[in-house]
Amino acid sequence: NAGVTQTPKFQVLKTGQSMTLQCAQDMNHNSMYWYRQDPGMGLRLIYYSASEGTTDKGEVPNGYNVSRLNKREFSLRLESAAPSQTSVYFCANGPGVVGQPQHFGDGTRLSIL
Amino acid sequence: TQLLEQSPQFLSIQEGENLTVYCNSSSVFSSLQWYRQEPGEGPVLLVTVVTGGEVKKLKRLTFQFGDARKDSSLHITAAQPGDTGLYLCAGASGTYKYIFGTGTRLKVLA
Repeated sequence: NAGVTQTPKFQVLKTGQSMTLQCAQDMNHNSMYWYRQDPGMGLRLIYYSASEGTTDKGEVPNGYNVSRLNKREFSLRLESAAPSQTSVYFCANGPGVVGQPQHFGDGTRLSIL
Repeated sequence: TQLLEQSPQFLSIQEGENLTVYCNSSSVFSSLQWYRQEPGEGPVLLVTVVTGGEVKKLKRLTFQFGDARKDSSLHITAAQPGDTGLYLCAGASGTYKYIFGTGTRLKVLA
């Protein structure tokens, strides 16, 4: 997916460590999203940013913080990683109009030991 | 809390068979999307349905939005190995948010 780029693709952390997942888009869309995907649970929204300068909580925000640095970039930070945060994290963007498609990155596979 | 339940959770069929995947909720959605996800990649949009009762076709895939806009179905005719993947429905919740279903993992055997 050339439109949404996530880094890193894989990461292993120890419990209590911190890290930031990076996401950048080149599609000039207003809205950006962070999801986590766990087996049998589909995608769950962690945080979203409707537009530059705004962020809002999704379904599962506890243990995470986000920063909408500019229109292109939306980062997700784990301050003190826990094993329950082991998951695949997806960043997505969208034009901010209901019904229009979201475009997803290829994901970050995060394991916390 | 809005929830979208998909059934079945897993489906393994032979090439050429037909199948239907269901996406159900007790909530009303202004629109509903279907995505397909392949291993190691993010979901990719297949279709968006907006009007209650709407039917859309994409080659061998037929999508229907329930009259009350609480449920949807995806029917695949003559499935092929290339249809293998995780199918996700997503309902629009408010202006910016989407609620994703639990997913249906389809495997089509040659």
